[in-house]
Amino acid sequence: ILNVEQSPQSLHVQEGDSTNFTCSFPSSNFYALHWYRWETAKSPEALFVMTLNGDEKKKGRISATLNTKEGYSYLYIKGSQPEDSATYLCAPYSGAGSYQLTFGKGTKLSVIP
Amino acid sequence: EPEVTQTPSHQVTQMGQEVILRCVPISNHLYFYWYRQILGQKVEFLVSFYNNEISEKSEIFDDQFSVERPDGSNFTLKIRSTKLEDSAMYFCARTRAGTGEGYTFGSGTRLTVV
Repeated sequence: ILNVEQSPQSLHVQEGDSTNFTCSFPSSNFYALHWYRWETAKSPEALFVMTLNGDEKKKGRISATLNTKEGYSYLYIKGSQPEDSATYLCAPYSGAGSYQLTFGKGTKLSVIP
Repeated sequence: EPEVTQTPSHQVTQMGQEVILRCVPISNHLYFYWYRQILGQKVEFLVSFYNNEISEKSEIFDDQFSVERPDGSNFTLKIRSTKLEDSAMYFCARTRAGTGEGYTFGSGTRLTVV
């Protein structure tokens, strides 16, 4: 079982502010890292799947970077909007088994209008 | 790709009762999973299913749990004798492993054991 830590646990930002949060995972036995966005009363939605050290992916105002050697990934949101309010989950995959993920506890983002 | 639909969306059951959670649709070409999240805790892996059989299961997935594909399309999770600590949000998910795609999660079933 991988030890996955996300920080901060929760975050309140003003609309228009940019923000970022961290996902830490064991750097050994790394295969891929997933980021998900989970809005209240909905199901988690895939944002990114990252595999290469130094990888950077972007979707609109949201981007993510990956450092597999030190075992962390950052998720950035530029110019936060109220609709960005959600819990952001990261989940590394070690390459073993049937592609099951180990989730962090998530960072709950609240964007204040 | 069609969405992954789960039924029921919410189920309340008495301790000791059996529950069946359903997930549709299903394809032979994907991995399918059951995960759950107990309130305030991490999303936990329960079981993966591929080619009509269990591929992997976690320590949580004990003898009280089973998965089936009863009619070739539905994918079900059965809990034989529910306990209070089984109360959680249960998600079905699918992925095409090796494609770089993330999971597609189902709409979820909130199970409350009283």
